[in-house]
Amino acid sequence: DADVTQTPRNRITKTGKRIMLECSQTKGHDRMYWYRQDPGLGLRLIYYSFDVKDINKGEISDGYSVSRQAQAKFSLSLESAIPNQTALYFCATSDRDQPGETQYFGPGTRLLVL
Amino acid sequence: EDKVVQSPLSLVVHEGDTVTLNCSYEVTNFRSLLWYKQEKKAPTFLFMLTSSGIEKKSGRLSSILDKKELSSILNITATQTGDSAIYLCAVAPRGSGNTPLVFGKGTRLSVIA
Repeated sequence: DADVTQTPRNRITKTGKRIMLECSQTKGHDRMYWYRQDPGLGLRLIYYSFDVKDINKGEISDGYSVSRQAQAKFSLSLESAIPNQTALYFCATSDRDQPGETQYFGPGTRLLVL
Repeated sequence: EDKVVQSPLSLVVHEGDTVTLNCSYEVTNFRSLLWYKQEKKAPTFLFMLTSSGIEKKSGRLSSILDKKELSSILNITATQTGDSAIYLCAVAPRGSGNTPLVFGKGTRLSVIA
């Protein structure tokens, strides 16, 4: 079984709809992240959480919200989806006790907003 | 503002060529530099370089950290078509507590037969 899973893997939605992307991990890591990836722009950090009670905005948090339901679960919501949120979304985890904070990525969710 | 810049943004080579990918960074306090390979799916970890481990090698891939120049290179020798991917560089700043990785935009490498 994969250590970091994301659901759904693909999603098509319409402008104005609320959607949630979910991430679960079995690595026992305390830190979790949400990124989006767009062609030519690399990975951009949306939100990150260093433990269940800690939520931080990343580089591009506008239009997104998150919830850390448990150490193993971190969900990303688009309250009212818009077409420029069409992207590939990755969840990642890391362990603060690991040197260098190596991040491990989920398989990604491809989102299309019409 | 912490920043990571990779060059070139894209590169096309023939099988058997040797390539060098570059990563330069500006961070308040450096902790580590990481290289990832991304094929058609999620990034996978390649190397981590720190002040105490400035050179890493795995098969045909090797990486060196130059703390004086605030940069790193990733070398791939005898390239194969399977090396085609986006290579991401990221830096972990040593912030006051909790600072996430800063990623560059990546170098897209295409190896043609």
